[in-house]
Order: sequence, then structure tokens, then C-alpha cells
Amino acid sequence: EVQLLESGGGLVQPGGSLRVSCVASGFNFGSYAMSWVRQVPGKGLEWVSSLSESGYSTFYAASVKGRFTMSRDSSKNTLYLYMNSLRADDTAVYYCAISGYSAYECAYWGQGTLVTVSS
Amino acid sequence: EIVLTQSPGTLSLSPGETATLSCRASQSVSSNYLAWYQQRPGQAPRLLIFAATGRAIGIPDRFRGSGSGTDFTLTISGLEPEDFAVYYCQQYGDSRGFTFGPGTKVDIK
Repeated sequence: EVQLLESGGGLVQPGGSLRVSCVASGFNFGSYAMSWVRQVPGKGLEWVSSLSESGYSTFYAASVKGRFTMSRDSSKNTLYLYMNSLRADDTAVYYCAISGYSAYECAYWGQGTLVTVSS
Repeated sequence: EIVLTQSPGTLSLSPGETATLSCRASQSVSSNYLAWYQQRPGQAPRLLIFAATGRAIGIPDRFRGSGSGTDFTLTISGLEPEDFAVYYCQQYGDSRGFTFGPGTKVDIK
């Protein structure tokens, strides 16, 4: 069974940094593209970033490019999202997801971790 | 980046009826890489359809995706009580950004 478990969310001040993690199990971690998607409570989904199956290509939303970095550690079956220069509008639940069918669709999702940026 | 527009914003239907949801892209979606997701309150989204027409594992066949290019449709035939939820489309064919639509809420009439 595919399982994704995010952690690392919390309260951070504007301008601060945070790292969220996603531990994966139940599948070959290095065989699928992975993504981060965020959602302000009560609002819609916003794609944040994706990492190719090979790990060589990363893609970022314009709203986070230059501030967020996505990476993975295959030895730990863990996906990371490093977030710098955080702003109030980065406040959201952050979900990790993996593909499984064609390219970068989000076939399996974690339950999310809440990041709150506030002073 | 490609902008996705979903219509209607809210669809009010009764159980057993058919729901027709639209997703229109501002540019053609490469390889018809268009996905549909369902999100129930308090839950993570769930993939229904990938690549415009492919049904994900475990998704009932009352969910059907169709369309190509810039116009895509999700049809839910014979609405079940658990189908009342919010539905999002996402394109993942443009490496400048794999954008989501704003969502369509299907609620009980």
C-alpha cells in the first residue's frame, strides 16, 4: 500500500525558513515523479513544485520560484521542500503526492502538513 | 502558464442524476495531460482521471473523462451520495507550471 506522510509544518515568522518532509512507503521511491501541492484552508488547490522520476528536473510555480527548493533522498525514501523568505500568503496545508500513470499527475497523496506564516 | 477555467462553479443535482463538469484551458494541453481530482471535506484530493480519459485504479466506471486540446469534460453518471464533493482539473503538460483549475462544487439539490 502506498503511504505518504508529511511532517515539519508549523508556525514561522514572515521572512523565515522551514523544511517540510514527506516519508514514502509501499512503492519504489525512485521510480515516480513527485510533487508538492498546497491549499489554503477553505480554498482551492495550488501546484507548488514537481520533481522528475530521474530526479534531474524540477519545476516550480512562479509564486515560489527562487524561494522554495524541492529535493529527495532516496536512501531515506523522503521528499523535502525547503521554504525560504516565507510570506503570509504561503500559509497553507502542504501535500506531497506521487505520479503513477503518465507523467506528473498526483496519483497518491499524503494527508498534508499545515504551514502558518505569521508574526 | 496555462490558465484553467472550470464551469460551473457550483452544480446542484440530486442523487441518480448525471453531472457534467467542464475544464477549459487557455492553451492546448500537451499530450492531453489533464487530470481530474475529487476532494471531500477534510480529506486529501483523490485522482479520478489522468491523461484526459484514463481512469485511475479503483475509480468506478460512472466517472468518465473526455476531451482534448483545450476543452475537457468530466461526466459522473448516476450520482451517488459520496460523489457530492469538489472537483478540480489540473494540466501537467506545460513545464512552466502544472496548474489547477479553481474547482467545481457538486452539491445536493
